[in-house]
Amino acid sequence: ILNVEQSPQSLHVQEGDSTNFTCSFPSSNFYALHWYRWETAKSPEALFVMTLNGDEKKKGRISATLNTKEGYSYLYIKGSQPEDSATYLCAFRYGNKLVFGAGTILRVKS
Amino acid sequence: EAQVTQNPRYLITVTGKKLTVTCSQNMNHEYMSWYRQDPGLGLRQIYYSMNVEVTDKGDVPEGYKVSRKEKRNFPLILESPSPNQTSLYFCASSFRGGHGYTFGSGTRLTVV
Repeated sequence: ILNVEQSPQSLHVQEGDSTNFTCSFPSSNFYALHWYRWETAKSPEALFVMTLNGDEKKKGRISATLNTKEGYSYLYIKGSQPEDSATYLCAFRYGNKLVFGAGTILRVKS
Repeated sequence: EAQVTQNPRYLITVTGKKLTVTCSQNMNHEYMSWYRQDPGLGLRQIYYSMNVEVTDKGDVPEGYKVSRKEKRNFPLILESPSPNQTSLYFCASSFRGGHGYTFGSGTRLTVV
């Protein structure tokens, strides 16, 4: 079973702070790296699917970068808002399987 | 509305009583998958299907069965549930090749 690690496990920030999390994955047999946002009592929602080394994706205040050679991806949130509070999941695709990390829990205080 | 529909949302059952959790998607997605979520662990894949009549094991398939007779449906079957299958289950679907998953609302299963 492949290992996908996310850090930190949880994060508490103040409204307006910028923050970032890390996802580490195997650097061999890379197909794609997914990021999802999972709010309490809801389903995970796809943020980004990244496939190329050096990829950068952006959606509003959230952006992500990808380094497939060293096996990591960063997710950045600029100017965090309380509505950004959620668990952020990354997932590594190899072949036909998608392996998820345990997630980073973000809490933004107003 | 494009969605993945799971039923039931909540289920409490007894050990050994066969049950089925249904999953249906209306997006014509080829790929469908089942995951379970347990505290402190990431979503773990149970089974997946690349298309009709094509299914394969994920990382934790023991104690589960699936079928894919139609493109839109991918039921999860627990023939003889045990307490260690108490978990939150998600069905997900996507187009093949580099697309994000659409998740269902989840099924919280308790086996006593």
